[in-house]
Amino acid sequence: GESVGLHLPTLSVQEGDNSIINCAYSNSASDYFIWYKQESGKGPQFIIDIRSNMDKRQGQRVTVLLNKTVKHLSLQIAATQPGDSAVYFCAENMYQTGANNLFFGTGTRLTVIP
Amino acid sequence: DTEVTQTPKHLVMGMTNKKSLKCEQHMGHRAMYWYKQKAKKPPELMFVYSYEKLSINESVPSRFSPECPNSSLLNLHLHALQPEDSALYLCASSQESGVYNEQFFGPGTRLTVL
Repeated sequence: GESVGLHLPTLSVQEGDNSIINCAYSNSASDYFIWYKQESGKGPQFIIDIRSNMDKRQGQRVTVLLNKTVKHLSLQIAATQPGDSAVYFCAENMYQTGANNLFFGTGTRLTVIP
Repeated sequence: DTEVTQTPKHLVMGMTNKKSLKCEQHMGHRAMYWYKQKAKKPPELMFVYSYEKLSINESVPSRFSPECPNSSLLNLHLHALQPEDSALYLCASSQESGVYNEQFFGPGTRLTVL
């Protein structure tokens, strides 16, 4: 799921299968990470977050794994459904003077095949 | 009320026009953000307001002028734009501007500059 060139990485999965979307982040000082889902014509929607003092966090059907050693995040979606089709962005949070700054990854387009 | 609203949904303007984008939230959030998103790209931060004061300007050209009249409203004034400024403009808000504050996004304004 990482970016190569200018193309949006894509992932196609069968309905009911599990999906894994990967993301590499750039700054070892980042201490908060968020996964967003963006459907066509809509703004990004929060899915799950994780702080840097954790390796894993689970939500409803979603799990985020954080590997700080290699600066890698993954989002696992269990029993993928057609409504999960969207572009998924990981974002790393860096706190600059006075404010929160989110840096978004390239994104991965997930297509669920019924 | 847990949403960020943006108006208009779509805007077409000429390079000599002056227009404004509006963003509103009633969640009591004290930080508000403008992002620009080109097609098939991630959102990129433009401006951050914290407690109605501009705290981050990510080297955005002066033809984009933000304004935060009160804690619930954020405007983006546009003047003498270029065709390459055509994009989806997203507004977001968060409780505070510090780390670990989830950003809630609006649906965006799709801007076309002719």
